[in-house]
Amino acid sequence: QVQLQESGPGLVKPSQTLSLTCSVSGASISSGDYYWTWIRQPAGKGLEWIGRIYTTGSADYNPSLESRLTMSLDSSNNQFSLRLNSVTAADTAVYFCARFRWNPPGFDPWGQGALVIVSS
Amino acid sequence: DIQMTQSPSSLSASVGDRVTITCQASQDIRKYLSWYQQKPGKAPELLIYDASNLETGVPSRFSGSGSGTDFTLTISSLQPEDIATYYCQQYDNIPYSFGQGTKLEIK
Repeated sequence: QVQLQESGPGLVKPSQTLSLTCSVSGASISSGDYYWTWIRQPAGKGLEWIGRIYTTGSADYNPSLESRLTMSLDSSNNQFSLRLNSVTAADTAVYFCARFRWNPPGFDPWGQGALVIVSS
Repeated sequence: DIQMTQSPSSLSASVGDRVTITCQASQDIRKYLSWYQQKPGKAPELLIYDASNLETGVPSRFSGSGSGTDFTLTISSLQPEDIATYYCQQYDNIPYSFGQGTKLEIK
């Protein structure tokens, strides 16, 4: 059974960098036809696709965040990471990591989510 | 970017009712649409993929239809455990995008 778990600071100061890690168990992040993905959800609002990184390390980002965003794979620890710099209060949200599969397609599974608050 | 518009934004129905949620894409996304169910404090769960295919383990009262720009999620007989927010999501083009959600409540 594949499981994902987000970790990282729950509080980040404005203008600083938000860093989150998603630890994966039950599957190797460097094999298979999967995209390892970040999605966020501000409190009481909808879901926003942040970006994805393939098993090869190739990444695609949401253009709305691309200038501030970096995603990476750490195969040795079987985890992938998100770095979002120059954060503002608008980046306050629950951040989910998820695996996107192609056969059949869909985000499954998801992590439980990590709340990140941007505040001084 | 592809905009996904769901309607209604909220819906109140009785147990046993047939419930329909619609999702419209701002451009043709072929069949590349999924539906997710999210309960409070939880991550979303996949219900439907490729517009009309039921994810393994999802009750058969859930069904999806549509292609192109117009899609529908139907619950044939609403159960108390179906209370949640439902999201459509397109995966035809990057950036992937979600509808704004439909909050389903029991009347």
